[in-house]
Amino acid sequence: DAGITQSPRHKVTETGTPVTLRCHQTENHRYMYWYRQDPGHGLRLIHYSYGVKDTDKGEVSDGYSVSRSKTEDFLLTLESATSSQTSVYFCAISETGGVLGELFFGEGSRLTVL
Amino acid sequence: SQQGEEDPQALSIQEGENATMNCSYKTSINNLQWYRQNSGRGLVHLILIRSNEREKHSGRLRVTLDTSKKSSSLLITASRAADTASYFCGREEEETSGSRLTFGEGTQLTVNP
Repeated sequence: DAGITQSPRHKVTETGTPVTLRCHQTENHRYMYWYRQDPGHGLRLIHYSYGVKDTDKGEVSDGYSVSRSKTEDFLLTLESATSSQTSVYFCAISETGGVLGELFFGEGSRLTVL
Repeated sequence: SQQGEEDPQALSIQEGENATMNCSYKTSINNLQWYRQNSGRGLVHLILIRSNEREKHSGRLRVTLDTSKKSSSLLITASRAADTASYFCGREEEETSGSRLTFGEGTQLTVNP
């Protein structure tokens, strides 16, 4: 299994509070991604990174920010959590960015915003 | 929008039968990948097919790609109860940068013993 660790795995928070999810990899892969998974919407890309300090927006980036200061860590921050951000968040990594290779997914972080 | 769809949304079959799932998309792609997700787990890669390929096999899996129809199918032969999972296609679309996959809602496959 690819070395990807997401933390926390479960979190309950209140509306308006900031939340940070962490993705840590031990594979030294260049690309890292944050997706959210919701019933009826499948997986949607929030942000991704193609190198240290190089990030770009996905299709549902509003209300989220990311940072990547080291190859192994990709942080997803909900600046002020809302109930619509209740979801399961998946981190994924890739050596080649999906062009020729696969994405490896973490086990997910379930976030509930009350 | 998801720019694509998997269908059917849900499929229930008996062990030993074949399962076919389809994926359609709207823009041109560079490659397409199929993934499996067991309940409560992350996605696991099954197979990648490039835009210049028409068919690929891996064990009991067969993937086809028809770029003229903008569609792909995943066939699982001689299904087993352990194949019960959700299946997703991830598309690398030409119009986006070559480093991201777009997924649909998936097909929930149930294989009854």
